[in-house]
Amino acid sequence: RKEVEQDPGPFNVPEGATVAFNCTYSNSASQSFFWYRQDCRKEPKLLMSVYSSGNEDGRFTAQLNRASQYISLLIRDSKLSDSATYLCVVTLFMDSNYQLIWGAGTKLIIKP
Amino acid sequence: SQTIHQWPATLVQPVGSPLSLECTVEGTSNPNLYWYRQAAGRGLQLLFYSVGIGQISSEVPQNLSASRPQDRQFILSSKKLLLSDSGFYLCAWSVQSGSHAAFFGQGTRLTVV
Repeated sequence: RKEVEQDPGPFNVPEGATVAFNCTYSNSASQSFFWYRQDCRKEPKLLMSVYSSGNEDGRFTAQLNRASQYISLLIRDSKLSDSATYLCVVTLFMDSNYQLIWGAGTKLIIKP
Repeated sequence: SQTIHQWPATLVQPVGSPLSLECTVEGTSNPNLYWYRQAAGRGLQLLFYSVGIGQISSEVPQNLSASRPQDRQFILSSKKLLLSDSGFYLCAWSVQSGSHAAFFGQGTRLTVV
């Protein structure tokens, strides 16, 4: 079982729609949670951290459910420029250091 | 502010040739440093990480090596490249204390021919 799992997609969504991704993690000791965005042939870029109380940044809302061990990302009023791969990451303290555990990413395609 | 530089952006190398990719971080001290590889359409594979000068942890067996000669410099090397070494190589850094996100360089797209 993968430590961090994401639906690979692609999610084909019309412009203006709302889209939601989930990401599940296997280790209950996971400490921090993040969403990254990766455009084609580019490096991943931090989109937002995910806090226990949930957090919002403009059209983006991230939530954490520790009991069920998943994080979610909601994108409202999607734009063509939101097309990208979205990666979730959790951190875990192992071998005396915090390790970053990456999901494989969910591809999002926004269609006009 | 912190910045990370990685070069070159693209590289085409023949099989059996050596490799050296360099990454430097500015604006922070004693960062964690990482080398990742990403095959086309796949997720990130952690190759090496370092918590300090001369301290390298290898995550997967391979013909690559990494070195950290200075606090903010991380180098990925190979003595003889294989076709299977082709991919997108990404350097990243994170703050060492606590649980923090990582920040990436622009990446190097390596094609071994």
